[in-house]
Amino acid sequence: EDQVTQSPEALRLQEGESSSLNCSYTVSGLRGLFWYRQDPGKGPEFLFTLYSAGEEKEKERLKATLTKKESFLHITAPKPEDSATYLCAVQAEAAGNKLTFGGGTRVLVKP
Amino acid sequence: DTGVSQNPRHKITKRGQNVTFRCDPISEHNRLYWYRQTLGQGPEFLTYFQNEAQLEKSRLLSDRFSAERPKGSFSTLEIQRTEQGDSAMYLCASSFGPPLGQVRSYEQYFGPGTRLTVT
Repeated sequence: EDQVTQSPEALRLQEGESSSLNCSYTVSGLRGLFWYRQDPGKGPEFLFTLYSAGEEKEKERLKATLTKKESFLHITAPKPEDSATYLCAVQAEAAGNKLTFGGGTRVLVKP
Repeated sequence: DTGVSQNPRHKITKRGQNVTFRCDPISEHNRLYWYRQTLGQGPEFLTYFQNEAQLEKSRLLSDRFSAERPKGSFSTLEIQRTEQGDSAMYLCASSFGPPLGQVRSYEQYFGPGTRLTVT
């Protein structure tokens, strides 16, 4: 069964204090790994798709990387508006088209 | 706004009642997905459609749940005889689907969700 584990569960940062979120996965053939941002009471907002080990994607202060067993979301010099829950999801080759999500990392950036 | 829309945004119902939610996907997308999310957890897959065909259902989708996508446009999710354990956020997402014979992954775009509270 496909599994996704995110750590830490929660992260408190000072504004400007860079950090990384981890997403470990076990799948029977990875078709794609996705990062989403979710604000309270809203649906997940798409950030990145990574397809193969070694791939990197960047958007503003966020950078996502992928290895064969895990992905990292690096937040560089975060601002309070980066406060959100960050969700990682995988799509496995044998699992049709569903996404399997991790539990998320709640990030709070204090000014 | 051309994003995914869901209605209603909030629904409070009494145990045993039936409820129906609606999802309008991004118009160019042929795939539509339903997920359920409880507090502090990531979304869990329920079912998905390609055009009007329901192609996959999770074992989470008990026989009290039924989803339809007539004419391959909007979709409805109905829960019959609601139970307190059905209280959750119900999320709809849509995506492109690959051409026949191709296998690739497309990002799914989510709506704002319908929060269901069963009392």
